[in-house]
Amino acid sequence: GQQLNQSPQSMFIQEGEDVSMNCTSSSIFNTWLWYKQEPGEGPVLLIALYKAGELTSNGRLTAQFGITRKDSFLNISASIPSDVGIYFCADLVNTDKLIFGTGTRLQVFP
Amino acid sequence: DVKVTQSSRYLVKRTGEKVFLECVQDMDHENMFWYRQDPGLGLRLIYFSYDVKMKEKGDIPEGYSVSREKKERFSLILESASTNQTSMYLCASSFEYSGFSYEQYFGPGTRLTVT
Repeated sequence: GQQLNQSPQSMFIQEGEDVSMNCTSSSIFNTWLWYKQEPGEGPVLLIALYKAGELTSNGRLTAQFGITRKDSFLNISASIPSDVGIYFCADLVNTDKLIFGTGTRLQVFP
Repeated sequence: DVKVTQSSRYLVKRTGEKVFLECVQDMDHENMFWYRQDPGLGLRLIYFSYDVKMKEKGDIPEGYSVSREKKERFSLILESASTNQTSMYLCASSFEYSGFSYEQYFGPGTRLTVT
């Protein structure tokens, strides 16, 4: 079946550092979504990408839809403690069913 | 801002009880979804709905049913709760245009414990 592999699985960084994580798929997709989830909460949508090559920013977050349509990356610049959480990439299959990646757990130390 | 709300954040029920989880969205979205999230298993789709009174089975519908009587409200029903239904339940909604569904927005989740 379709799988989304995220790397790294976890990151432990110091406040102020930049973060980069990516997501790869075995299939071509038309959509890449990035969510953040904090403990005990629902996922919050960060960025949505709908076009190959598209580069979109949301504050300190930047995400790109890979040209091959099989990958995407998310960068966080100048990390702060409230960036802590699990970051998921997700794709829309058949235009409505969402599949989530395996997640990248981010820990930020002051 | 899109808002998806769920009726309870935490719920504790006994085995065999009938459980209702309610979800309401305020963005006039056509599509609504129910997922459960478990450690090591990720997010799994239980049921979804494209329109009022319409429902489609997701990947794990067994033991669940749903109801969508109004566009903004989507209910998940556990007919007879069992301990293996202890989980985090997440509701989501999305906009649809010309047959294409856009990004899904999630509620805060309901942590259900069945004892």
